[in-house]
Amino acid sequence: AQRVTQPEKLLSVFKGAPVELKCNYSYSGSPELFWYVQYSRQRLQLLLRHISRESIKGFTADLNKGETSFHLKKPFAQEEDSAMYYCALSNFNKFYFGSGTKLNVKP
Amino acid sequence: GAGVSQTPSNKVTEKGKYVELRCDPISGHTALYWYRQSLGQGPEFLIYFQGTGAADDSGLPNDRFFAVRPEGSVSTLKIQRTERGDSAVYLCASSPGGRNTEAFFGQGTRLTVV
Repeated sequence: AQRVTQPEKLLSVFKGAPVELKCNYSYSGSPELFWYVQYSRQRLQLLLRHISRESIKGFTADLNKGETSFHLKKPFAQEEDSAMYYCALSNFNKFYFGSGTKLNVKP
Repeated sequence: GAGVSQTPSNKVTEKGKYVELRCDPISGHTALYWYRQSLGQGPEFLIYFQGTGAADDSGLPNDRFFAVRPEGSVSTLKIQRTERGDSAVYLCASSPGGRNTEAFFGQGTRLTVV
């Protein structure tokens, strides 16, 4: 069965510090993985997807099939990065979401 | 172009009543999804439409929940005999379909059953 696990409910860091939001998944096939972000009072929106291998707002995520992980990283956190972050796995157009990690970047 | 629109944004209803939640997807998007998000949880899949048909309704919790998309555009999620446990934010998303395509989310409808 497909499952996405985000072990941290809350992550607090100081501005300028590195940040890593953890995501582990279980899936028997070839996964399509995404990170979605929800800023305060805004809708859920795509941050990045593993297939694009892109960096968005300084964030990157590498798919590690051996460890079944897709951790989200940023070397220097900014206050505007404070938001809820959801890791998601797509299986034939059905998205499975983790429970989310709230990132709080302190000044 | 407008994004995914959901109405109403908030709905308070009494236990046992019937409610309808509406979703207007992005024009041209063939795939439409309904999710439910309870406090402190991630979005939980309910149902997925490809065009007019429900391609996967395995996430609907029971037969009180039903969704339609009669013309392949607007969708309505219907909940009969509402219970307090149905209280949640109901999210709709649409996408062009196909692998690795992004799902675009609406703002959600916050349903409160009292």
